[in-house]
Amino acid sequence: QKEVEQDPGPLSVPEGAIVSLNCTYSNSAFQYFMWYRQYSRKGPELLMYTYSSGNKEDGRFTAQVDKSSKYISLFIRDSQPSDSATYLCAMSWRGGKLIFGQGTELSVKP
Amino acid sequence: NAGVTQTPKFQVLKTGQSMTLQCAQDMNHNSMYWYRQDPGMGLRLIYYSASEGTTDKGEVPNGYNVSRLNKREFSLRLESAAPSQTSVYFCASSQLAGVNYNEQFFGPGTRLTVL
Repeated sequence: QKEVEQDPGPLSVPEGAIVSLNCTYSNSAFQYFMWYRQYSRKGPELLMYTYSSGNKEDGRFTAQVDKSSKYISLFIRDSQPSDSATYLCAMSWRGGKLIFGQGTELSVKP
Repeated sequence: NAGVTQTPKFQVLKTGQSMTLQCAQDMNHNSMYWYRQDPGMGLRLIYYSASEGTTDKGEVPNGYNVSRLNKREFSLRLESAAPSQTSVYFCASSQLAGVNYNEQFFGPGTRLTVL
């Protein structure tokens, strides 16, 4: 079993939809949880990070962590075609190496 | 300020050939990393360098070697390429491994095909 599991999709939604992307993990030592966005043929870029449990909001994006269930989510409100990309979750313990999920390919159709 | 740069962008090798992928960063970061990305596998760490003068193996180091040439540059070498090394290779850097969360900045990638 991988330490971090993420449904690779692909996921296709109409413009304006609410998107939910999820990852599960097995290592309870993880403290930092990140979401990277990767456009086609580009390198990943950090979108959001959270520390420990709870929610964090940034514009149309909300990151949620449930440490008791070992489950993290990224919600995108009012999705736009420009949100079409692969979204990778990543996590680490304090100062540790990042462990990435497989990435979910998202397509937002106009 | 170019961030993380990688050369070459594309490369085709024959089985058994060798090559070196180059990476440089201009953000004065201490730590640098090499990943490979394969369909359905996410990003897997090959090697990393927590600071100048140190290198360590990651999850999939077999068939690769690295050199941290100086603080800016970190190269990845394939001594005898195999078709299983066909992948997209990303270099990344971060301010300091070992402190809080580890935001990594990625280069644009090198697409390598081994025939």
